Amino acid sequence: GQQVQQSPASLVLQEGENAELQCNFSTSLNSMQWFYQRPGGSLVSLFYNPSGTKQSGRLTSTTVIKERRSSLHISSSQTTDSGTYLCAIHNYAQGLTFGLGTRVSVFP
Amino acid sequence: DTTVKQNPRYKLARVGKPVNLICSQTMNHDTMYWYQKKPNQAPKLLLFYYDKILNREADTFEKFQSSRPNNSFCSLYIGSAGLEYSAMYLCASSDRVSNERLFFGHGTKLSVL
Repeated sequence: GQQVQQSPASLVLQEGENAELQCNFSTSLNSMQWFYQRPGGSLVSLFYNPSGTKQSGRLTSTTVIKERRSSLHISSSQTTDSGTYLCAIHNYAQGLTFGLGTRVSVFP
Repeated sequence: DTTVKQNPRYKLARVGKPVNLICSQTMNHDTMYWYQKKPNQAPKLLLFYYDKILNREADTFEKFQSSRPNNSFCSLYIGSAGLEYSAMYLCASSDRVSNERLFFGHGTKLSVL
């Protein structure tokens, strides 16, 4: 089965709403990262978060390794937040394994 | 992350012709990776170099080659491009000893015609 599962697959928000993106993983890991995928396909690293909570502006990432899950919280969403958010786990045997992503659409 | 640079940004290739993509990083990272990204699919690891040791995924073993002449540079080589190679190719680097965080370049969009 898929090692990294993200939910929901897509999300539609009205500007100003909050959102919670989930990432569940079924294998052991050394670390995990959240990425934002640009429209052209390139990746922007949002968080490198082996465990615990990290915040950057309106984004907050929380990872609980023993429960094999991580979440990305977007507060007060803006239209510029629209895009695909990917989580990925890393272990030495397989490198970085990505989920399929959550496509977020924020409307004014 | 502009500290991982990929060239070119866009590449047009003919079916059956070779393709060579270049990646460089200035962070002195020991590990460099190549991923393939197609629309609506998760990025797929093709291969990675840890120092001078090349690790290739089993299902892409014969399709892609790579070289790493020094710590900063890594190439991805396709000997004979097929239509199925059209994709975004992402290079990344990390430092295994101190930090496993991966830094990605902007990618090279390859279109095979």
